[in-house]
Amino acid sequence: GAVVSQHPSWVICKSGTSVKIECRSLDFQATTMFWYRQFPKQSLMLMATSNEGSKATYEQGVEKDKFLINHASLTLSTLTVTSAHPEDSSFYICSAQARTLGAYEQYFGPGTRLTVT
Amino acid sequence: SQKIEQNSEALNIQEGKTATLTCNYTNYSPAYLQWYRQDPGRGPVFLLLIRENEKEKRKERLKVTFDTTLKQSLFHITASQPADSATYLCALDMARSSNTGKLIFGQGTTLQVKP
Repeated sequence: GAVVSQHPSWVICKSGTSVKIECRSLDFQATTMFWYRQFPKQSLMLMATSNEGSKATYEQGVEKDKFLINHASLTLSTLTVTSAHPEDSSFYICSAQARTLGAYEQYFGPGTRLTVT
Repeated sequence: SQKIEQNSEALNIQEGKTATLTCNYTNYSPAYLQWYRQDPGRGPVFLLLIRENEKEKRKERLKVTFDTTLKQSLFHITASQPADSATYLCALDMARSSNTGKLIFGQGTTLQVKP
């Protein structure tokens, strides 16, 4: 089946620093990748959508200058949390969609736990 | 705006019984609705998708129904096993009648199957 990986699986950083999270589709080419955030006891909330070679589109309320997304290839998207603050601590999950695998199915990564101290 | 409500935060059942989880949405009927499983500290895993013109979909011990009149989907696990214990999420596309891939998720129902 289609596999999506994320790296790192967890990260602790100090307030004010930046953190980069990678999302890779391992055995398929992802036409679109999505980034979600999940706070404890809450559901996933979509942050942004990225297509290879074009700028990401952000959902309302998500700061594009704070959450930088780069979709450099059909198998890699990165999310950089800039000037992280404790309120950015969350579980970040990416997903990938590929038309060749089925028009609607999305494959999610295992998530990255970010803790900002 | 579209909102999803899953009927209960937690559901406890005995092994071998059928678990039934409910997903209600408030606004337009989506082109499709999906169900995912999420284990603690992990990303969601796709289980089933049902389209608006489908009444029922089955996959092994799983069954999903979709009632656009009631704006409701039911998710059933028959002959439940302790390994089925997880949080189950209902999701649908943000856009009406199209596939943008941008999903709205319900808050999830945590199923506990006791041996």
